[in-house]
Amino acid sequence: SAVISQKPSRDICQRGTSLTIQCQVDSQVTMMFWYRQQPGQSLTLIATANQGSEATYESGFVIDKFPISRPNLTFSTLTVSNMSPEDSSIYLCSVRGTDHYEQYFGPGTRLTVT
Amino acid sequence: QKEVEQNSGPLSVPEGAIASLNCTYSDRVSQSFFWYRQYSGKSPELIMSIYSNGDKEDGRFTAQLNKASQYVSLLIRDSQPSDSATYLCAVWPGGSYIPTFGRGTSLIVHP
Repeated sequence: SAVISQKPSRDICQRGTSLTIQCQVDSQVTMMFWYRQQPGQSLTLIATANQGSEATYESGFVIDKFPISRPNLTFSTLTVSNMSPEDSSIYLCSVRGTDHYEQYFGPGTRLTVT
Repeated sequence: QKEVEQNSGPLSVPEGAIASLNCTYSDRVSQSFFWYRQYSGKSPELIMSIYSNGDKEDGRFTAQLNKASQYVSLLIRDSQPSDSATYLCAVWPGGSYIPTFGRGTSLIVHP
């Protein structure tokens, strides 16, 4: 499985500001995924990031709020814009396995918005 | 809508006992099934995968799949306090590029 790193691991931000989360994978992957996990909840897919094309967003998530970049096959960023306390969550970067569509997750970014 | 259901728990078992975690899914054509372990404050870690009916054993873990009844379970033998975590069931239904995750079952193993 791929080794995934994320930065920052955690942050406390003020309402109205933006935070960019970085995800680095140790091998080239076609698809990268961004999930959110709110306290006590399961995983919610935000968007899928493909290199060379715009990200595909799931229902309820929009590009203006969660812009994503995918400049190459090993790196992606997710920005949480104009944050509110409701954005407090763990944000997870993920890649897919090659055999049976299993997901592998990075260590996550714990975001608290005050 | 494809659904994956798990009892949220917590499931409490004594150390050394067998913990049994269950998951049901709605999409009959699902093809791949996964169990993830998530410690508090950490990201999910893939611990088991199963693709055909029957049992699959890996150390103290056994995954069981019954496609006719649309359920998948995870047994943890000789449970240890270090097994205390939330266990997420994930199902890949085919025709999608990602699996669907359940809400997870909290397991507490007490000494």
